[in-house]
Amino acid sequence: ETGVTQTPRHLVMGMTNKKSLKCEQHLGHNAMYWYKQSAKKPLELMFVYSLEERVENNSVPSRFSPECPNSSHLFLHLHTLQPEDSALYLCASSQETTYNEQFFGPGTRLTVL
Amino acid sequence: EDQVTQSPEALRLQEGESSSLNCSYTVSGLRGLFWYRQDPGKGPEFLFTLYSAGEEKEKERLKATLTKKESFLHITAPKPEDSATYLCAFTNTGNQFYFGTGTSLTVIP
Repeated sequence: ETGVTQTPRHLVMGMTNKKSLKCEQHLGHNAMYWYKQSAKKPLELMFVYSLEERVENNSVPSRFSPECPNSSHLFLHLHTLQPEDSALYLCASSQETTYNEQFFGPGTRLTVL
Repeated sequence: EDQVTQSPEALRLQEGESSSLNCSYTVSGLRGLFWYRQDPGKGPEFLFTLYSAGEEKEKERLKATLTKKESFLHITAPKPEDSATYLCAFTNTGNQFYFGTGTSLTVIP
């Protein structure tokens, strides 16, 4: 596969569940990002990793926990989520964090019941 | 405070009816301004990067331009397959990214 892939594409979970979102990039990039996209709102940057080091964490609740084991893989671990966390979660990558173009995956549509 | 505003929120065009989407921005130090296209249920698809006022870039029926305060995405003779949400974003000298809320474009056959 090429580009940025995300699994699962759809996820329904209860407020007490624990689940993980996975992102993989096949572009040889060094930076990876998690975004949250809610209806009628701008994309919200959640986390940024550069060369496997977290370089940005935009006041995201602790019920979201990122993990970047290598420059090609990024995870978002979810636990005790709230219904307002329901959204499209997008992963992106770029050559460097200072490099401009970001390439996005197809997203995971998350519904929290 | 750095911010970006897109207008209109929604736009309906007849096939072949050219128009422009607006992205107004306020930034202390611009590193780059980006345009993305997003289809329903999918991630944004990169279209253009503009770095300085006066710069223009084209791709098929799309042309992006940049001034010191705004960027335009001109759509010439649009087709129904151009229907999508178009997102504007920029990055500043502090390496922060700001996205607009997008313009939802519908092209009617």
